[in-house]
Amino acid sequence: DSGVTQTPKHLITATGQRVTLRCSPRSGDLSVYWYQQSLDQGLQFLIQYYNGEERAKGNILERFSAQQFPDLHSELNLSSLELGDSALYFCASSVAPFAEAFFGQGTRLTVV
Amino acid sequence: GIQVEQSPPDLILQEGANSTLRCNFSDSVNNLQWFHQNPWGQLINLFYIPSGTKQNGRLSATTVATERYSLLYISSSQTTDSGVYFCAAMDTGRRALTFGSGTRLQVQP
Repeated sequence: DSGVTQTPKHLITATGQRVTLRCSPRSGDLSVYWYQQSLDQGLQFLIQYYNGEERAKGNILERFSAQQFPDLHSELNLSSLELGDSALYFCASSVAPFAEAFFGQGTRLTVV
Repeated sequence: GIQVEQSPPDLILQEGANSTLRCNFSDSVNNLQWFHQNPWGQLINLFYIPSGTKQNGRLSATTVATERYSLLYISSSQTTDSGVYFCAAMDTGRRALTFGSGTRLQVQP
């Protein structure tokens, strides 16, 4: 158990819908990262937050947004979902930006 | 941004065999990690190793930062070692891990 908690574990939704994925980092970790793993794109970095502030952006679509709350948990919002958004979404956390990152179990999103 | 390349892409071993997985990266790194993704999709931390050598049981890793590569050694492989091994590196510019495409390992009994 990495100490990073993601909910839900599985999510099935229809095209055009909006979903929210939740992540609780390890106790004491201030950095939260979101990654997307799809069969054709591999593991892609989406966005990073540090102590509530956005610090880095990767290949995140405009339809996707995220935030980190004062209690340091983070949410990733995916809207206007398309079939191609089906993937495993990981959250990771670390105590500082260059420190060892630990990954949650992932949320498997299926868009039908 | 940094490029991370892993080799070989696929590896089939008999139980008990040893193997070496390689990771090349294109820039100086502040963080380099090896992960094992098991058949259930979990990413399990193996090593945090931006430089030097570490060992954990049957696994060991070496990163030669000046030559921009890292090696993961698996000795006396077991069927439970099967899965995908990822190398991920972080340079100063991006502040997030960039993953290689992985090495898919299958250990046969």
